[in-house]
Formats: sequence, structure tokens, C-alpha cells
Amino acid sequence: QKEVEQNSGPLSVPEGAIASLNCTYSDRGSQSFFWYRQYSGKSPELIMSIYSNGDKEDGRFTAQLNKASQYVSLLIRDSQPSDSATYLCAVKHPTGSARQLTFGSGTQLTVLP
Amino acid sequence: GAVVSQHPSRVICKSGTSVKIECRSLDFQATTMFWYRQFPKQSLMLMATSNEGSKATYEQGVEKDKFLINHASLTLSTLTVTSAHPEDSSFYICSARDRSPGGSEKLFFGSGTQLSVL
Repeated sequence: QKEVEQNSGPLSVPEGAIASLNCTYSDRGSQSFFWYRQYSGKSPELIMSIYSNGDKEDGRFTAQLNKASQYVSLLIRDSQPSDSATYLCAVKHPTGSARQLTFGSGTQLTVLP
Repeated sequence: GAVVSQHPSRVICKSGTSVKIECRSLDFQATTMFWYRQFPKQSLMLMATSNEGSKATYEQGVEKDKFLINHASLTLSTLTVTSAHPEDSSFYICSARDRSPGGSEKLFFGSGTQLSVL
């Protein structure tokens, strides 16, 4: 079982719609969760972080965390063509681990104009 | 915000040569930097954790003699791909964490280096 799993997509949504991206993780001790956006040929860019159960909103982005289900999601409202990218879910290892983050394989999102 | 500079952005080399990639934290000190490798349409895979003043910690399956990491100062880590072969062609990305007072401990990424070995 992979430590962090995402549907690879591609996921296509029309402009203005809500894009929903999902991620599950295997380590119950994980405390910190991140969503990165990566354009082709570029390095990842942090767009959201979430640490507590529930929803966290930042502009058009909402991250949702459910630790009991080991599930984290990202909603993008009013999707724009510029949102087309690969979205990486990342989970931080519990304190004391020498490693920093484990990334999912990413979901490719295409927003159709 | 914190900036991590990575050079070169792209390098093409012949098989058998060595390539050095630099990663600098420009406005904060990074005692720890991370090196990732990403193949097309795949996620970032952690190769090694670079620790200032000590040896790097390599992930399982990563050859330490092939991927030499030096973290000689608090702002610079280098990754040298020795005797590069075509299968080493990949996108290499470094990252650093700002652990200074007031730093968010978030991970900041360099812009990446696309290595193509002919």
C-alpha cells in the first residue's frame, strides 16, 4: 500500500465548476497535510496546508481533513483554465522522523474554457 | 517569503560525465535541505536529506556514491550526479525548511533542474 494515494486523473472540469481532488494516507500518526500545485516543468508551489479535522478555506480553495478516515481533499471553486496543473498531496511524517514529506503521485487537472 | 534558488535549470550532458546542481537558501539559513527526483508524470521521490556539517541521509535504493551531496554551509547544498547515464535523466528538485524564529517551517522548493543525459 502506498503511503499517500491520489487518483492520477486526468480530471477535467468546465470553467466555473468545482474541482474536487482527493487523497488518502496510511500513517495514522501524520499531523500535517499539504496541497501543492505543479505546472509542467516547474517545481511544486504550496497552495494549502491543514492540520486539524474539518475545513480550511483560502480564497477559491478549501482543504478538508478527516483524520479518522485518513482522508484529505482539496476543492477548487470557480475553476479557471489557469488552475490546470498537477496537484500533489503531501503528508508530513510524525515528529522525530528524519524525512520531511511524502508526496502522492498527483492528480492532473484540466479546466476547460 | 523565503526563496530557494536552484541552478542550473537545465543541463544536457554526455553519458559518463558528472553534473553538479546547486541549491541555495537566499534569505534564511537551512540546516536541512532535501533532494527529490521526479520522472515524467510521476510524483516527487525523496532521494536524500542533506544536513549541514554532516553526512547526508539517503533513502533506500539511492546510491550514495553516485549521488554525492555536500552541505558545507547553512545556505548551500550541492548534488553531484557522478558518471551520469541516460537513466539518470530526470527532474531534480531541492527544498529547504526555514526553521529560524518567525519562520513557518514550511518547505520551500527550488525551481528544479531538468537533467538530460545523452
